Amino acid sequence: GAGVSQSPSNKVTEKGKDVELRCDPISGHTALYWYRQSLGQGLEFLIYFQGNSAPDKSGLPSDRFSAERTGGSVSTLTIQRTQQEDSAVYLCASSGGGQTLYNSPLHFGNGTRLTVT
Amino acid sequence: DAKTTQPNSMESNEEEPVHLPCNHSTISGTDYIHWYRQLPSQGPEYVIHGLTSNVNNRMASLAIAEDRKSSTLILHRATLRDAAVYYCILRSRGSGSRLTFGEGTQLTVNP
Repeated sequence: GAGVSQSPSNKVTEKGKDVELRCDPISGHTALYWYRQSLGQGLEFLIYFQGNSAPDKSGLPSDRFSAERTGGSVSTLTIQRTQQEDSAVYLCASSGGGQTLYNSPLHFGNGTRLTVT
Repeated sequence: DAKTTQPNSMESNEEEPVHLPCNHSTISGTDYIHWYRQLPSQGPEYVIHGLTSNVNNRMASLAIAEDRKSSTLILHRATLRDAAVYYCILRSRGSGSRLTFGEGTQLTVNP
């Protein structure tokens, strides 16, 4: 079956521009996560959705970062006024939700590589 | 989230078994032990998870100590494609059950 799909796979943008990154989770997965991974670094949690609501936004690094999810499916991560330190791979993951959430594996996409020049 | 400790790196030879250790001495009774791996230029991939009993699947085996303060991921016959960073993670009921990734173990497989 189809896995988690992210687009674009690569994005180069100029400093100060806004970017939108898209995530299509596995059908039926209610939980959706965004992470980012800077070059040579570990994965950093950004935000978690359960359905269309985001009960945990604690990882968003600044108010330039926002995310939404519609129809309990597709999610968009938006970075406004991009800075060079935003350059990283942005990873999306989805998982079965509900009471078995912590017992369900996360399925990751291959990420969007963002380069801010 | 409770913390895990893994060696920074390990080496193995192709077609030999690999035992990847993980210490989690502050694990709580309801924490699941999850293992993921990340191959170069890819997102993390789920490997296996367990609570108390040893677990086997097509990819690996997970051996959990009786006191649950440590676990070992076992790859029965390493291949070159198993070269990756392996992450041992405790998943708690709260915080949306987010996964908090540490540094992991870089596994090198020699031909």
